[in-house]
Amino acid sequence: KNEVEQSPQNLTAQEGEFITINCSYSVGISALHWLQQHPGGGIVSLFMLSSGKKKHGRLIATINIQEKHSSLHITASHPRDSAVYICAVGNAGGTSYGKLTFGQGTILTVHP
Amino acid sequence: NAGVTQTPKFQVLKTGQSMTLQCAQDMNHEYMSWYRQDPGMGLRLIHYSVGAGITDQGEVPNGYNVSRSTTEDFPLRLLSAAPSQTSVYFCASSYSSGGDYGYTFGSGTRLTVV
Repeated sequence: KNEVEQSPQNLTAQEGEFITINCSYSVGISALHWLQQHPGGGIVSLFMLSSGKKKHGRLIATINIQEKHSSLHITASHPRDSAVYICAVGNAGGTSYGKLTFGQGTILTVHP
Repeated sequence: NAGVTQTPKFQVLKTGQSMTLQCAQDMNHEYMSWYRQDPGMGLRLIHYSVGAGITDQGEVPNGYNVSRSTTEDFPLRLLSAAPSQTSVYFCASSYSSGGDYGYTFGSGTRLTVV
């Protein structure tokens, strides 16, 4: 069993729809990251969460430490949101900032 | 522009050749790391460094060496390239400040070993 699991693996939506991507983890963590990767592109950090909720524009990320679960929501989705969304966790304890464990990624396609 | 610079962007090697993937950051971040990304496997940690002169192995270190002589640079060396090392490689730097920390990734190096 992977330490970090995302669902769904693939997600197709129509423009304007509300989207949710889920991430569950099985290890103690210091923080959880949501990353975005466009096809053939680099990786961009969207959020870092250690508790609660963060919002940036149309993106909202939440984390429940007790349940070891995080969600990434996209409101009013747009075709430019089409990308791979990756959940990653930094392991608890010590100098964990240099190392992450990643989920497999969720491929999101938003159609006009 | 400030950030993480990886070179080269593309490389083709023959089996058995050696090469170095370069990674440099100008943000004075303490922490740097190398990952490889393979279809169906996600990103996996190869090596990481918590500061100049300090490195450690990640999940898939075999066949790779690293060193960190300066804060800015963290090169990844392939000792004897194998087809199994065909992948996309990402370097990242990270910082910690007041309980918060963030990551910046390079644009990646696409390596093909034939």
